[in-house]
Amino acid sequence: GQNIDQPTEMTATEGAIVQINCTYQTSGFNGLFWYQQHAGEAPTFLSYNVLDGLEEKGRFSSFLSRSKGYSYLLLKELQMKDSASYLCAVGDSNYQLIWGAGTKLIIKP
Amino acid sequence: NAGVTQTPKFRILKIGQSMTLQCAQDMNHNYMYWYRQDPGMGLKLIYYSVGAGITDKGEVPNGYNVSRSTTEDFPLRLELAAPSQTSVYFCASSYTTSGLPYEQYFGPGTRLTVT
Repeated sequence: GQNIDQPTEMTATEGAIVQINCTYQTSGFNGLFWYQQHAGEAPTFLSYNVLDGLEEKGRFSSFLSRSKGYSYLLLKELQMKDSASYLCAVGDSNYQLIWGAGTKLIIKP
Repeated sequence: NAGVTQTPKFRILKIGQSMTLQCAQDMNHNYMYWYRQDPGMGLKLIYYSVGAGITDKGEVPNGYNVSRSTTEDFPLRLELAAPSQTSVYFCASSYTTSGLPYEQYFGPGTRLTVT
């Protein structure tokens, strides 16, 4: 079966660094996406990894290891506005996205 | 450039009623998708379309129908609404020439309650 696992909830402090992990088992692999979703809003694209390694984009970085079926999203210099759910999604062999349940990130002052 | 728009934003249906959720995009994207999102669950693909006149089932198509007569519009039809269809529905679009799952742009969602 196809499965994507992420922690349900994480808490971090404003100004700190947090790492959100995602492990996957899918039929085929055509890239891994991270999306941000604020409560009551639509998901918005953060990053896309198709090759192993780290992709950096400002305060956000995403890492992929295809051999381990593992990715993480790293958020630096946390701000209150980073309080949101972070969704991991994998492109499968049919080029459709399989979505994780999301990780709710709570930022405390 | 409005992006992806959805109407209505909220709707309450009685069991057995039918309705159409509207979705439109003005980015000339070829791919369009309908997802549902239940609390604490990941997005589930209902139907998708790779271009006008072409639609296909996703993971959870039962109880829904779609059509794609134009590039811009991708309505989702619910027939005989059931409480299990209470959810938030998101429409999304993307552009790809290779079939690879590139970035999807989402509409604001429709919150549907069936009672």
